Amino acid sequence: EVQLVESGGGLVQPGGSLRLSCEVSGFTVSSGFTVSSNYMSWVRQAPGKGLEWVSVIYVGGSTYYADSVKGRFSISRDNSKNTLYLQMDSLRAEDTAIYYCARVTTYNYFDTWGQGTLVTVSS
Amino acid sequence: SYGLTQPLSVSVALGQTARITCGGNNIGSKSVHWYQQKPGQAPVLVIYRDSNRPSGIPERFSGSNSGNTATLTISRPQAGDEADYYCQVWDSSTSPVFGGGTKLTVL
Repeated sequence: EVQLVESGGGLVQPGGSLRLSCEVSGFTVSSGFTVSSNYMSWVRQAPGKGLEWVSVIYVGGSTYYADSVKGRFSISRDNSKNTLYLQMDSLRAEDTAIYYCARVTTYNYFDTWGQGTLVTVSS
Repeated sequence: SYGLTQPLSVSVALGQTARITCGGNNIGSKSVHWYQQKPGQAPVLVIYRDSNRPSGIPERFSGSNSGNTATLTISRPQAGDEADYYCQVWDSSTSPVFGGGTKLTVL
């Protein structure tokens, strides 16, 4: 069974940086689940709040961001490691949330989610 | 940007039918997807493309979409269906949008 495993969360001061990783676990050639052959996305959830989309990277490499993180966050992938990343710079208190990576299907829904990693921005 | 409106909470008695709505301007022209999220867990897809159930999702979950409202229907919900439910569409070509979420309580 293919799983998405996030890591890299933690406590960081305002203005600081953090890089999140999302590794595809349980991958087999037959599953075809690679970060390079799928649309991959990051979605976050602030404590007690709803889901908020953060960023997406398409198969061709195009990237898009929510206005709230544009210019501060950067999504990327390492095909050789089958891993998705989210580089977060100039962090603010309002970026405090659980960050989930998820696969986006060609019909634009999220069918596979990781367990999430908690980012806390606080002094 | 496109907005989705969900009720904050819905309560339903055991044996009854729960309906969770998701309102949006001409949402019937878009594909709507629904997620279930239990406390401390990641979201799980329960309905995709308005009315399709992924493998493993019970038949009591169904969906519809028309006009300005999409609806997630849970027939004879069980205590284990208590959760937060989110609708989602893809706005324009680059941005997914989530509704604010609805907390379902089974009485």
